[in-house]
Amino acid sequence: QSALTQPRSVSGSPGQSVTISCTGTSSDVGSYDSVSWYQHHPGRAPRVMLYDVSKRPSGVPDRFSGSKSGNTASLTISGLQAEDEANYYCCSYAGSYTFVFGGGTKVTVL
Amino acid sequence: QVQLQESGPGLVKPSQTLSLTCTASGVSISSDDNYWSWIRQHPGNGLEWIGYIYYSGSTFYNPSLKSRLTISVHTSKNQFLLRLSSVTAADTAIYYCARAVESRDSAVPYFDSWGQGNLVTVSS
Repeated sequence: QSALTQPRSVSGSPGQSVTISCTGTSSDVGSYDSVSWYQHHPGRAPRVMLYDVSKRPSGVPDRFSGSKSGNTASLTISGLQAEDEANYYCCSYAGSYTFVFGGGTKVTVL
Repeated sequence: QVQLQESGPGLVKPSQTLSLTCTASGVSISSDDNYWSWIRQHPGNGLEWIGYIYYSGSTFYNPSLKSRLTISVHTSKNQFLLRLSSVTAADTAIYYCARAVESRDSAVPYFDSWGQGNLVTVSS
């Protein structure tokens, strides 16, 4: 299992949109519509933002959306807000009840 | 509301066994369809899935750690445990416990509740 590839950082001004990519392989992202995304403010517990590529758990703003094409999944934050500044991690099911995470992306609100 | 709290030593010597406990509140460890999970983050790096134990007792481990890893539950204390043997400096990380629940659509679990993490340093 190799970690999923994410950009180290992305940034945007308040109100803008940012998109984070998450690239895996045909053995994980490409094979399953089971990608989840987690928001992590350092020192706090991570929070699930999306699961099954694009489903939002209760309480997650609809500014957060997800998609997938081939071996790459994406998280888009629309209408960026100061509180969205955090680290974001993708995670994919990799078969045989195993999972693989991404290296994380730091989102900076300018 | 599910709450999870990791506990355990912050310093472990090389070659020894790392042991961590996760105490759950707001949910029973024995309740159906929950996967009790451990995930770690090496300093400055991304997350790494370690493994989980299903409510039925079945365990699923990261292949890269499987030979050194044991995840178990202590039902009466509403806790689940991580034991990682023969540790080296490469095992220095923040260790998170988490609950995973199955998606109603895909039946694949995702991690919906997390602890705040427990930093473990492996050093002599």
